[in-house]
Parts: sequence; C-alpha cells; structure tokens
Amino acid sequence: DIQMTQSPSTLSASVGDRVTITCRASQSISSWLAWYQQKPGKAPKLLIYKASSLESGVPSRFSGSGSGTEFTLTISSLQPDDFATYYCQQCNSYPLTFGGGTKVEIK
Amino acid sequence: EVQLLESGGGLVQPGGSLRLSCAASGFTFSTYAMSWVRQAPGKGLEWVSGISGSGDSSYYAGSVKGRFTISRDNSKNTLYLQMNSLRAEDTAVYYCASQVQEYFDFWGQGTLVTVSS
Repeated sequence: DIQMTQSPSTLSASVGDRVTITCRASQSISSWLAWYQQKPGKAPKLLIYKASSLESGVPSRFSGSGSGTEFTLTISSLQPDDFATYYCQQCNSYPLTFGGGTKVEIK
Repeated sequence: EVQLLESGGGLVQPGGSLRLSCAASGFTFSTYAMSWVRQAPGKGLEWVSGISGSGDSSYYAGSVKGRFTISRDNSKNTLYLQMNSLRAEDTAVYYCASQVQEYFDFWGQGTLVTVSS
C-alpha cells in the first residue's frame, strides 16, 4: 500500500498569510494526487486534482504542485473561510490512501 | 445538480451486519465509478471500497476485505455497502463519493455507523 504523510499536522496562521502544506508518498505516484478541504461536520470538498489542476469553482488562491513523491498545497492569502482541515489523497493505485490531515487554525 | 444521499446507518452490536445505500441523482450514474470513504470520530479519512461504473470491478481496503461487499444497481442509481462481522473499529461516518480517475469529485453528507454493545 502507498503511505501518504502530511506535514504539519496542525498549522496556526493569520488571515492574509501564505500557507504551505506538504504531502509525501512512500513511492512515486507521478501526478496522481488530489487535495480536499473539510470543515467540521461536513463532507470533504475537492480542491485540486492531478497535483495541480484546480477544481471548478475553487478560488485561485489555492494551488498545488509537485510530482513523484513530494507535493504541496499552497494558499496564497489565507481567508477566514479557509480555516479547515486539508487532506491529500493518492489516486495512483488501489487501495486509495489519504494523508493524515493538516488542521489550519487561527493564530 | 449532483446529489448523493446515504442511508442505512445506525447502532449495531459487534459481529452484526448493516447495509448502507447511496441514492445518486443529477448525473449519469452508470458511467461513474463510486467509492465509500469513512471517518472515525475525530480521525482522518479512510477509503473503504470502490466499484467500477459497470459493477464488474471492485476494490477493498485491507481492513474490510472479506467482511464488506460493495455493489450497485444502475437501474436504480443506487450504490450499496453490505457490512458483515462489524467491529468497534468500524464505527465511523460513511460517505459515498463519485470518482473520476480515482479522485472524488462529489460526496454525500454521510451516514453514521456505531458498533457497540
């Protein structure tokens, strides 16, 4: 199974900050990576697919990069609506696996 | 508008069974692979099982293989998850999700399964 490791697990930031979350895969997954945002009590929401493609309707302050085993999700200017937990997911092979999550908190 | 509506969750004793359903609308159900993803209380996301659009191929996480069975009825636009030999560690909110190239573009609101005596 491909293991996905996210860092940090918690991130404290202020509105307007640039935020970067890292996701590492235990083996190469090319660009087969997705990012999701989840708010308490809600279903996850797709943000980024194929490592860097922005899902329709997602604000352009979100961006993804990387390939192989190392990936990043960047929020260019953190907004109040962005405080949430973020997950990466490898889409390369079954079983599909998620990272442990990164909670973005208000500083 | 895409809608995924899960049902069938509830309280079940260890060793018991439960069948979850996910009613889909707003898209051509038979052309989409589908998955179940769960989230234990206060924990992260765990993919459970997936099935191809035709239903010919299915996949399972190691933690549920041999106990859970995924299926679909494309005539009813419905996805199912039959869960047998349930354990306390299966307690979670179960989401159904539509798949595109193995990522999940739409999610239901989830249904809670609690395994406890």
